[in-house]
Amino acid sequence: AAGVIQSPRHLIKEKRETATLKCYPIPRHDTVYWYQQGPGQDPQFLISFYEKMQSDKGSIPDRFSAQQFSDYHSELNMSSLELGDSALYFCASSLSSVNEQFFGPGTRLTVL
Amino acid sequence: RKEVEQDPGPFNVPEGATVAFNCTYSNSASQSFFWYRQDCRKEPKLLMSVYSSGNEDGRFTAQLNRASQYISLLIRDSKLSDSATYLCVVISSGSARQLTFGSGTQLTVLP
Repeated sequence: AAGVIQSPRHLIKEKRETATLKCYPIPRHDTVYWYQQGPGQDPQFLISFYEKMQSDKGSIPDRFSAQQFSDYHSELNMSSLELGDSALYFCASSLSSVNEQFFGPGTRLTVL
Repeated sequence: RKEVEQDPGPFNVPEGATVAFNCTYSNSASQSFFWYRQDCRKEPKLLMSVYSSGNEDGRFTAQLNRASQYISLLIRDSKLSDSATYLCVVISSGSARQLTFGSGTQLTVLP
């Protein structure tokens, strides 16, 4: 079965640079969620989208923005990167009618 | 205090053992409950949703006690492949379905 696709899988950036992470949800899933997992920590919710509209916002820094496109894929844009942004970034998708979320393999971002 | 609390372990058990994990949540308005497993440096994978009546999926049994705000996971006949971190996860009321994770319980099944 098709799963959530994330790209790139690994990304290395310097401080103050920008990064764009992409997420392609499971086919027919209309809701996308972004989570950040720092080293040794549990995943923290950043932001979610349903039908291209932001549906919920968590601990997402103002330096980050995200959007969902007409084909339901989503992009997380990160600017003025800081060392503390180094983490695994997971995208999850679901159908709006159910609560179960399915995670992609993540993007490992390293900020030097 | 974290909204979802778990015993971090580690739990080291022999193959074939039965092991139980517990989890408590602080928000009484939490509405949905799950167990995910996460292997090192990989994504969380949904193991099972947890229902008020309790539910079973093969060797895995999940229980929910809303009065005590307590969730459990029982693994019977442990396999080496069960070695992972088990994450207790809730959706709080009014949160538009954002997942709140516990810190996870680490399980190692030994041959």
